[in-house]
Amino acid sequence: GAVVSQHPSWVICKSGTSVKIECRSLDFQATTMFWYRQFPKQSLMLMATSNEGSKATYEQGVEKDKFLINHASLTLSTLTVTSAHPEDSSFYICSAQDRVSPLHFGNGTRLTVT
Amino acid sequence: GENVEQHPSTLSVQEGDSAVIKCTYSDSASNYFPWYKQELGKRPQLIIDIRSNVGEKKDQRIAVTLNKTAKHFSLHITETQPEDSAVYFCAASPRGGNKLTFGTGTQLKVEL
Repeated sequence: GAVVSQHPSWVICKSGTSVKIECRSLDFQATTMFWYRQFPKQSLMLMATSNEGSKATYEQGVEKDKFLINHASLTLSTLTVTSAHPEDSSFYICSAQDRVSPLHFGNGTRLTVT
Repeated sequence: GENVEQHPSTLSVQEGDSAVIKCTYSDSASNYFPWYKQELGKRPQLIIDIRSNVGEKKDQRIAVTLNKTAKHFSLHITETQPEDSAVYFCAASPRGGNKLTFGTGTQLKVEL
């Protein structure tokens, strides 16, 4: 079945630094990937839709200059949290879909900003 | 945009009993309704899904029903086991897209 790999699984960074999270579709091509954020004991909130070869589409209230998304190939999308602050600490999860399977999620990245 | 509401937020059942989680959605264009199980710190795992051209779908102990007219769908787990304990999320997706809107989640606890 379709596999989505996300890296790193956890990261701790200092306030003001930037963190890059990678999302890869391992055995299929994904023209579209999605980035979600999940705070403790809360639901998954869609942040943006990542489209291969074009600009990402951001949900209302998500700062595109803070959460940079690049989808340079059909198997890789990256999310960069720029100038991270403690309130950005969260669980970030990507998802992707091939043409025949339902949406598949990466393992998620636990970001802690100190 | 789509709005998905989910109830209850927490649910405790005795092992062997059934559990029912209900969701409503607002966008009549939504046509795909998956259910995910998420264990602490892990990714959501798809457990069952249903499309709007079907009213009910069953997979062993898990079933989902959909009422398009009322815009609600439900997850039914029978003969619950301790390993069913997790957070369950419903979601809805619009026609032609895979952009999911999630419900708020239900913490299911199956007690011995």
